[in-house]
Amino acid sequence: QKEVEQNSGPLSVPEGAIASLNCTYSDRGSQSFFWYRQYSGKSPELIMFIYSNGDKEDGRFTAQLNKASQYVSLLIRDSQPSDSATYLCAVISGGSNYKLTFGKGTLLTVNP
Amino acid sequence: EAGVAQSPRYKIIEKRQSVAFWCNPISGHATLYWYQQILGQGPKLLIQFQNNGVVDDSQLPKDRFSAERLKGVDSTLKIQPAKLEDSAVYLCASSLVVKETQYFGPGTRLLVL
Repeated sequence: QKEVEQNSGPLSVPEGAIASLNCTYSDRGSQSFFWYRQYSGKSPELIMFIYSNGDKEDGRFTAQLNKASQYVSLLIRDSQPSDSATYLCAVISGGSNYKLTFGKGTLLTVNP
Repeated sequence: EAGVAQSPRYKIIEKRQSVAFWCNPISGHATLYWYQQILGQGPKLLIQFQNNGVVDDSQLPKDRFSAERLKGVDSTLKIQPAKLEDSAVYLCASSLVVKETQYFGPGTRLLVL
């Protein structure tokens, strides 16, 4: 069973701080890694994706991937109350059908 | 560009009844997915279509769930008969091709009483 693990939280940070969200995965053949944000009662929306080891930055968001450690993270700089949501880590595992497996998500609360 | 459309948005049924959900993917997207998201969990893939062929349905409870994608565009997911544990949000997603980013519809919230 290919698994994606996340700390369910809640993770609480003050406004303006850096929020760090972490994810580990079990399948070494995993190829692509995604972070989705899901507001309460809404559907997931893509924040970032990363394919290669290292960092990828997009505005206030930075995704970090370490395939050797099977670890992917999302950093949110200058956190805003509007960032309060559940963040879902998702991984496309190796194999012919490129199945996307989600973690349970981490609930982030940014306090004004 | 229009997003993924789903209907209905909400549905309440009694156990043992049947229910059907509809999805219209983003225009031109060949791959369509149905996910089940139980409260507090991440989405779980039920079935994946490439055009109108099934790529993966390994987690679809085939004794009660069925899905089809006629003409490689719209798709329907059916539950018959429904159980209490089927209460969840059913999300449809599409991607241009497999491996590409998946975009989600608003979901259908199902409550089975």
